[in-house]
Amino acid sequence: KNQVEQSPQSLIILEGKNCTLQCNYTVSPFSNLRWYKQDTGRGPVSLTIMTFSENTKSNGRYTATLDADTKQSSLHITASQLSDSASYICVVRATGNQFYFGTGTSLTVIP
Amino acid sequence: DGGITQSPKYLFRKEGQNVTLSCEQNLNHDAMYWYRQDPGQGLRLIYYSQIVNDFQKGDIAEGYSVSREKKESFPLTVTSAQKNPTAFYLCASSRGDRGTHQPQHFGDGTRLSIL
Repeated sequence: KNQVEQSPQSLIILEGKNCTLQCNYTVSPFSNLRWYKQDTGRGPVSLTIMTFSENTKSNGRYTATLDADTKQSSLHITASQLSDSASYICVVRATGNQFYFGTGTSLTVIP
Repeated sequence: DGGITQSPKYLFRKEGQNVTLSCEQNLNHDAMYWYRQDPGQGLRLIYYSQIVNDFQKGDIAEGYSVSREKKESFPLTVTSAQKNPTAFYLCASSRGDRGTHQPQHFGDGTRLSIL
């Protein structure tokens, strides 16, 4: 069964600290993996996209990693800011047009 | 700026009433999607369309209907047959199969509630 599981479900960190969010998937055949940021009451916005051959990609303070062998991805946020408070969603695309969504990690950054 | 516009942002439905959620995109994307988002759950696919005048059911299509008469528009009707319609509805678009590494672009959603 194609699934995407994210952990932790929620996370609270102090402003300026780093954190890492996890995504494990069983989707096959794999096309790519995206991380999205969703602010409360808004639609998700793409942060990074990882293909099979990529194992690290950065977008500012966000760094995503992908281990296609173990089917695991992580999103590392460096020097967190209050504006990082949001839900982070991992989405795996199978070949074709099938998307599989994780339930998200809710991140709260406190001053 | 190119993007996806969903309207209205908030919508209230009475029992037995059909309501239509609007989704318009000016990104020239072929594929469009409707998702439902409930607390603690991942996005669930309702319907998707890869081309004008064609659409397919997603995982939870019962009680919903769509049309795709224009490339830019993909309205979703929540019918009275949908017994639990209270949710946050998200519309998305992408370049479809020709742009497998392009992201889906999402609108800012419509929150539907039952009166």
